[in-house]
Parts: sequence; C-alpha cells; structure tokens
Amino acid sequence: DAGVTQSPTHLIKTRGQQVTLRCSPKSGHDTVSWYQQALGQGPQFIFQYYEEEERQRGNFPDRFSGHQFPNYSSELNVNALLLGDSALYLCASSLGASGGQETQYFGPGTRLLVL
Amino acid sequence: AQSVTQPDIHITVSEGASLELRCNYSYGATPYLFWYVQSPGQGLQLLLKYFSGDTLVQGIKGFEAEFKRSQSSFNLRKPSVHWSDAAEYFCAVVFSWGKLQFGAGTQVVVTP
Repeated sequence: DAGVTQSPTHLIKTRGQQVTLRCSPKSGHDTVSWYQQALGQGPQFIFQYYEEEERQRGNFPDRFSGHQFPNYSSELNVNALLLGDSALYLCASSLGASGGQETQYFGPGTRLLVL
Repeated sequence: AQSVTQPDIHITVSEGASLELRCNYSYGATPYLFWYVQSPGQGLQLLLKYFSGDTLVQGIKGFEAEFKRSQSSFNLRKPSVHWSDAAEYFCAVVFSWGKLQFGAGTQVVVTP
C-alpha cells in the first residue's frame, strides 16, 4: 500500500517564475492538505481540498492556488515566486470530512529553492 | 487567539535517559491533539493522537503523551531514549475542520 507521494523531490526556480507541485494521496484517501515549512519552523497550513473543492484556506496570498483531480491527486501552484517562497512543501492526505478527527498522513515533501 | 506553543526549541538528552517534550495550546474547548516526528530530510510521521477519553495516550516507538485539560497541555514522554530518537518533534492541534496548526518544534539531540 503506497503512502503519500510527492513530485518532484527538489526544484530550483528564479524569482517571478511559476511552479507546480504534485501529490498523490494514500490509497483510499479523498482529502489533500498542503503545508509550507520554512527552514527552522513548523509547517504552516496553506489549504485543503475535498471533493475537488477548496474547503479550508490558511493565511496565504492568492499566488498560491491548487487543484484536486477526480482521482483525488492534487497540485499546488505558486505564481510570481518570491525568495521567501523557498521552503519544504508538504502534502498530507486523510479520509473523509469528519471535522478534524481524521489523521493526516504526510508525504516526504518537495524542497523548493527560489533564487 | 488559538495557538500552539512548544517552549523548548532544543533539548539534549543522554541515550537511555528519559525525555519529556512540552506542548501547550490556547483554545476555548478541547481540540484534537497530535505529535509528529520529522527526521532530517523527511516528511512528518505521526507518533500519537488524542481526541477524547483516556488522557494518557500510547503511541509508536515507545512514546506516550498525557493530556491535561487544567493546564492546556499535551506533553510527550519516552522513558528511555535511543540514538534513533534524535529528530525534530512537532505538536499539532486541529482547532477547526482538518486545519492542523503546528508548534515551532523541538529539536532533540541524543548524546552517547
């Protein structure tokens, strides 16, 4: 049973560019959440997708957008990259919409460096 | 305001000694509580969770945590630390609908 997978593992971009990160949830999971973890900090919630809709959003600008596909996989898009967007981006999957009790399982992350 | 605090940024412990990591939260009700561990270059692995019921929760790798409502705390403990426990530990709380809010983390160093 495959866990949460993310691609690519590492990425280097320059300021102003756009980036797309991908996530495949754990088998049987239908909810995907994205987090940003800057160096030396705890992960910060970006947004969550359920039934192909954004259900919750954290305090991130509109440059951060996402999508969930019918097979529950998800993409995170970041436009107009800033140096401060350099971070580890974590995807987490969970099952159902029970209001928070569901355990989130994390992928290994995508390390983004913006130059 | 809702918040999660891990007061200790860094802890050094000898192999075989006990370990306790502190976590406090600020919220008007009992949230859902989690502890995750992150090894260098890795994602987050769930150690244990608390939703309700028995306030002492057992997790993987010999860890346990105790929820204390009166102190708004959810401290993580291990009786005897192994070198492989060196990692960063995060307390996390769900205040609303699946949105995990993490503390800043505690870096654990294990010395021989």
